[in-house]
Amino acid sequence: NAGVTQTPKFQVLKTGQSMTLQCAQDMNHNSMYWYRQDPGMGLRLIYYSASEGTTDKGEVPNGYNVSRLNKREFSLRLESAAPSQTSVYFCASDGGRDTQYFGPGTRLTVL
Amino acid sequence: GQQLNQSPQSMFIQEGEDVSMNCTSSSIFNTWLWYKQDPGEGPVLLIALYKAGELTSNGRLTAQFGITRKDSFLNISASIPSDVGIYFCAGQFYSGGSNYKLTFGKGTLLTVNP
Repeated sequence: NAGVTQTPKFQVLKTGQSMTLQCAQDMNHNSMYWYRQDPGMGLRLIYYSASEGTTDKGEVPNGYNVSRLNKREFSLRLESAAPSQTSVYFCASDGGRDTQYFGPGTRLTVL
Repeated sequence: GQQLNQSPQSMFIQEGEDVSMNCTSSSIFNTWLWYKQDPGEGPVLLIALYKAGELTSNGRLTAQFGITRKDSFLNISASIPSDVGIYFCAGQFYSGGSNYKLTFGKGTLLTVNP
């Protein structure tokens, strides 16, 4: 039981490049989330998926798209990366009773 | 939207000391959660609180859900070096339908001097 896994762990992009961050959970959770973490800003919600086939915007969705591929997988895509998207990205899934379990994070730098 | 004010922003303490941090909000929350984040890792859930006034312990950690439902505190007793990290509070509110979202505080950075 690996919990929540994320790939890649580190990534460097040039401005304008695109990439997809992958997330998978093996806990049979319905809800999944993408957050970004910036120094002094805490965790901010980008997008979430309440269940397979549904996605909704969070607090900071601009510049991102998501896909809930199946119950296990929830991906985050940057179509045209910008330096302001340099951040640490965390995926989480909801374990019920309002608890969320986080992956180890993807550290993204956009030059 | 909902906002959480977490304090202090950082703390430097000696090993063995007790620590207290808190979160306040102008909004009512249905659940309060406390997470710890080690350097280079994702947040890990420490304690979840579900009822106003609830006091819950997890080893040396104790947290309480405020009576007004607008605040929560976390205490760590007899701190040890491995307590170092960032502690986040999070509140859960119903966002409609069957899905719930978390609002996070900005974190308290704890440093423990051996």
